[in-house]
Amino acid sequence: AQKITQTQPGMFVQEKEAVTLDCTYDTSDQSYGLFWYKQPSSGEMIFLIYQGSYDEQNATEGRYSLNFQKARKSANLVISASQLGDSAMYFCAMREPFLLYNQGGKLIFGQGTELSVKP
Amino acid sequence: ETGVTQSPTHLIKTRGQQVTLRCSSQSGHNTVSWYQQALGQGPQFIFQYYREEENGRGNFPPRFSGLQFPNYSSELNVNALELDDSALYLCASSYETLNTEAFFGQGTRLTVV
Repeated sequence: AQKITQTQPGMFVQEKEAVTLDCTYDTSDQSYGLFWYKQPSSGEMIFLIYQGSYDEQNATEGRYSLNFQKARKSANLVISASQLGDSAMYFCAMREPFLLYNQGGKLIFGQGTELSVKP
Repeated sequence: ETGVTQSPTHLIKTRGQQVTLRCSSQSGHNTVSWYQQALGQGPQFIFQYYREEENGRGNFPPRFSGLQFPNYSSELNVNALELDDSALYLCASSYETLNTEAFFGQGTRLTVV
């Protein structure tokens, strides 16, 4: 069964420092996608970054980068130069390829990590 | 902004009532998925609609049902509401074979009293 594990319920980081949020996953599929979302207290799930299982290079989006280690089945999110506005819940999610009649395309989420950025 | 909109944003219902939540997908997207997020948990997949048909369901009872319309917007209906149905309901919009995208709306916070 597919599963996402986030082992850090809460993290603290000093403003302007970098922080790594851990994510490990379990799947028997060869093709899948990995996502990170940010969820502020307002509730909206904000897309941050995507990594495909066949992508050889780590994904980057501005201050966000994804440290993808396929053999270890890990997809850690690195946030550089943390800002106060980065304080939120962060979710790692996995998605299998879209398939008709087979729930393909659904996202499987971890439990989340609450990040607090200190001034 | 993602272009995915949900309504209403907040809702209070009484146990046993029925509720309808709505989601407008992003332009160009033909697939809508619904998720339930209980307090302190990650979102759980309810079901997915693709071209107006249900295309997969999670571990939710039949009183959770949905629709997708020709313009790809979608509704989530919950009958016989229970206290445990209190949660944030999120819809995600995507395009069938484009697995790199999944954009969410702002969610509907449902409280059942």
